[in-house]
Amino acid sequence: GEDVEQSLFLSVREGDSSVINCTYTDSSSTYLYWYKQEPGAGLQLLTYIFSNMDMKQDQRLTVLLNKKDKHLSLRIADTQTGDSAIYFCAEWVNNDMRFGAGTRLTVKP
Amino acid sequence: GAVVSQHPSRVICKSGTSVKIECRSLDFQATTMFWYRQFPKQSLMLMATSNEGSKATYEQGVEKDKFLINHASLTLSTLTVTSAHPEDSSFYICSASESAYGYTFGSGTRLTVV
Repeated sequence: GEDVEQSLFLSVREGDSSVINCTYTDSSSTYLYWYKQEPGAGLQLLTYIFSNMDMKQDQRLTVLLNKKDKHLSLRIADTQTGDSAIYFCAEWVNNDMRFGAGTRLTVKP
Repeated sequence: GAVVSQHPSRVICKSGTSVKIECRSLDFQATTMFWYRQFPKQSLMLMATSNEGSKATYEQGVEKDKFLINHASLTLSTLTVTSAHPEDSSFYICSASESAYGYTFGSGTRLTVV
């Protein structure tokens, strides 16, 4: 089957940059998303990128897309304790959404 | 790892009928499950938080009488779309958490109301 994969855990120090990686297998993805989930809450859309783009920057967030390698990354600059959460990548393919299992980001003071 | 089974994957129903979507955690217990809806070419929208043994918590703008949620056991939550209309056609997806493994999503349900 088609999978979206991401590592489960990432720990960084406050002020450092965080890079969360994701790989997907379906080359027909049209949109790729990054969501954030804080404890006890639902998903919050952080950003998305069209499949014909290589990069998208939004304040502290930078999304990089390598279509050849089917690799998506989310970089958070100057990571803060409030960024501690679970981050999900997702792809939109043929009107369906497919999610990774989520990367739990822990930010240490 | 944790598995969430969502059924059915696709359903077509007539306008005015009701449709039930099931979300099961297969190998873990989930006191909380989330229900989402996705509109075409838009991001996922949280509809409600399903709490085992108590009433669901609905997001603002979501009609609780239209989207009935029942979380009767630690492994099953159901979403019933009552008196469905074409504008209810959408992609519905649930998620649940087993604390050690993060959140797991169901495979989603594509609802088409004709």
